Amino acid sequence: DSGVTQTPKHLITATGQRVTLRCSPRSGDLSVYWYQQSLDQGLQFLIQYYNGEERAKGNILERFSAQQFPDLHSELNLSSLELGDSALYFCASSVAAGELFFGEGSRLTVL
Amino acid sequence: GESVGLHLPTLSVQEGDNSIINCAYSNSASDYFIWYKQESGKGPQFIIDIRSNMDKRQGQRVTVLLNKTVKHLSLQIAATQPGDSAVYFCAENMRGNNDMRFGAGTRLTVKP
Repeated sequence: DSGVTQTPKHLITATGQRVTLRCSPRSGDLSVYWYQQSLDQGLQFLIQYYNGEERAKGNILERFSAQQFPDLHSELNLSSLELGDSALYFCASSVAAGELFFGEGSRLTVL
Repeated sequence: GESVGLHLPTLSVQEGDNSIINCAYSNSASDYFIWYKQESGKGPQFIIDIRSNMDKRQGQRVTVLLNKTVKHLSLQIAATQPGDSAVYFCAENMRGNNDMRFGAGTRLTVKP
């Protein structure tokens, strides 16, 4: 158990819809990272927050947004969903830049 | 663009043999590297890391080698076991950057 909690574990929705994925980092970790993993693909970095502020941005679509709340949990919002958005979405946390602790992921299926 | 990549997408070894998984990186400014293991249905887990001021680091049954001259990283697993079957990712971080960039991954299959 990494200590990072992601919900929901599975989500099935239709094209055009909007979903929110939630992440609770390990206790004490200030950084939260979001990654997207398509089937049999690598991990694509989306975005990172540190103590509530956006710190780094990767290949995140404009239809996607994220935020980190004062209690350090984070949410990833995916809107106007397309079939190609079907993927595993991982959240990871760390104390600082370095070893990341990953959650079990949220599997999104867009039909 | 600069990226982290892997030489072999799949690797199959016999139980008990040693495994070597390779990774090429192109960002010469990267100064911190991590190997992660991802088992089916799970999130990636840290295996071992190495900083750019080192060329070798050993853990329990694993060794990471860093060759900065050719921008190459490798993970050696000694006496590979069925439980080592997973996808292995290398990741790099550049000093001053906050993100960790991952390579495409290598699937290791251990045959009994």
